[in-house]
Amino acid sequence: QLQLQESGPGLVKPSETLSLTCTVSGGSIRRSDCYWDWIRQPPGEGLEWIGTIYYSGSTYYNPSLKSRVTISVDTSKNQFSLRLSSVTAADTAVYYCARRSGTYEDSWGQGTLVTVSS
Amino acid sequence: QSALTQPPSASGSPGQSVTISCTGTSSDVGGYNYVSWYQQHPGKAPKLMIYEVNKRPSGVPDRFSGSKSANTASLTVSGLQAEDEADYYCSSYAGSNMWVFGGGTKLTVL
Repeated sequence: QLQLQESGPGLVKPSETLSLTCTVSGGSIRRSDCYWDWIRQPPGEGLEWIGTIYYSGSTYYNPSLKSRVTISVDTSKNQFSLRLSSVTAADTAVYYCARRSGTYEDSWGQGTLVTVSS
Repeated sequence: QSALTQPPSASGSPGQSVTISCTGTSSDVGGYNYVSWYQQHPGKAPKLMIYEVNKRPSGVPDRFSGSKSANTASLTVSGLQAEDEADYYCSSYAGSNMWVFGGGTKLTVL
C-alpha cells in the first residue's frame, strides 16, 4: 500500500526558506500515470494547491506562489521536495504531499505543521 | 486563479440528504469534467470521495454522489450518518496544469 511521509523543520524564521521532503513508500515515484503534489492548509482554513511535479522533473506551480516555490524530485530516493522562500506568518500551515492519479489526489501524507515565527 | 466558492456550512439530521455546492467559472468547473470532492475529519488528511464529477472510488459508500451543471458542481450525501460529519472540499482542474480548491464546507449532522 502506498504511503507518503512529509519531513522537515516544524519552525522556520520569517524571510527564510521552508524546506520539506516527501518520501514515497510502497510504490514507485516513476509511475507514468501519476503526478506528485504539494498542498497546504493554514490553521482553520481551506486547502491550497501549491504545485505539482512529474517524475521527469516537469513542474507546475500555483501562480500566486510561483515566484517563491521550487519543487524537485529525486527518483533514486523515491522522494520529492518543496522549497518556499521568503516566508512570512501567512505561510504557517499544515503542508501535505499527495499523489495525483490523473485528475485527483488518491493518496495523501499525514501532513506536517510548519510555523513561521522568530 | 481564485478559490472555488462553497457554503461555509451545511447540516442535516440522520437519514436526511444534504447537498453541498461548489461554484467556479467556465475556466475551471465549467470547462472540464475534472471535479473532485474530499472529506476531511479534524486532524486528518483529506480523503477522496468523488472524482471526475460523479465517480466513486472503491470503498466510498454509494450514499455519496456528485453532479455538475454549468459552473457549479454538487456533492450530495444521502442517508446522513454521524460519521459523515466533517469538512468537505471540492477541487477542479483550472487549465494549464493548474488546480484549485474550494474554501470548504463544514457538514454538521444534527
